[in-house]
Amino acid sequence: TQLLEQSPQFLSIQEGENLTVYCNSSSVFSSLQWYRQEPGEGPVLLVTVVTGGEVKKLKRLTFQFGDARKDSSLHITAAQPGDTGLYLCAGNDYKLSFGAGTTVTVRA
Amino acid sequence: NAGVTQTPKFQVLKTGQSMTLQCAQDMNHNSMYWYRQDPGMGLRLIYYSASEGTTDKGEVPNGYNVSRLNKREFSLRLESAAPSQTSVYFCAVMRGRQPQHFGDGTRLSIL
Repeated sequence: TQLLEQSPQFLSIQEGENLTVYCNSSSVFSSLQWYRQEPGEGPVLLVTVVTGGEVKKLKRLTFQFGDARKDSSLHITAAQPGDTGLYLCAGNDYKLSFGAGTTVTVRA
Repeated sequence: NAGVTQTPKFQVLKTGQSMTLQCAQDMNHNSMYWYRQDPGMGLRLIYYSASEGTTDKGEVPNGYNVSRLNKREFSLRLESAAPSQTSVYFCAVMRGRQPQHFGDGTRLSIL
């Protein structure tokens, strides 16, 4: 059973469109992290959110941590083909618990 | 990925063979982790080591053993490989609550 549920599992959009990926849990985490993973490589950390209600922006990516620190979302504005990859959320309770990931494909 | 090196990158084994996956870090982090990644299941923790000399089971430890040789190295051993252990294995490091840094993975196929 996955501690963190990510949705959708797959997402395919046209370049320039927006997208949102969700990460939900019944557990409270001290922090939550988002990673992007490209084929043949390990996950690379994008952001860590710590405070309930926190919003962080990384260029065209906006990350939000729920008020209760159980859920999070990742929003990409004007997606580009370079945004293609597997997006993983992970809840931190000393050791990370990962969601199954969302595979994002941005078509040129 | 700079700082975390996994060897080998690819390996094919026959059922019943043994194998040790190596992980070395030059980031001076205390905690080291072994994950496996399977399609549709994300990363699942196999074993971790919070510090040199200590190891603990994660979510899916059965069929695996680990050794924290020193602060830099953390190895994962399959004593008798089974097809269900076909996966991509990632080593990661973390210092306290600092984010984890991952190696590039070992792709293991067991026939």
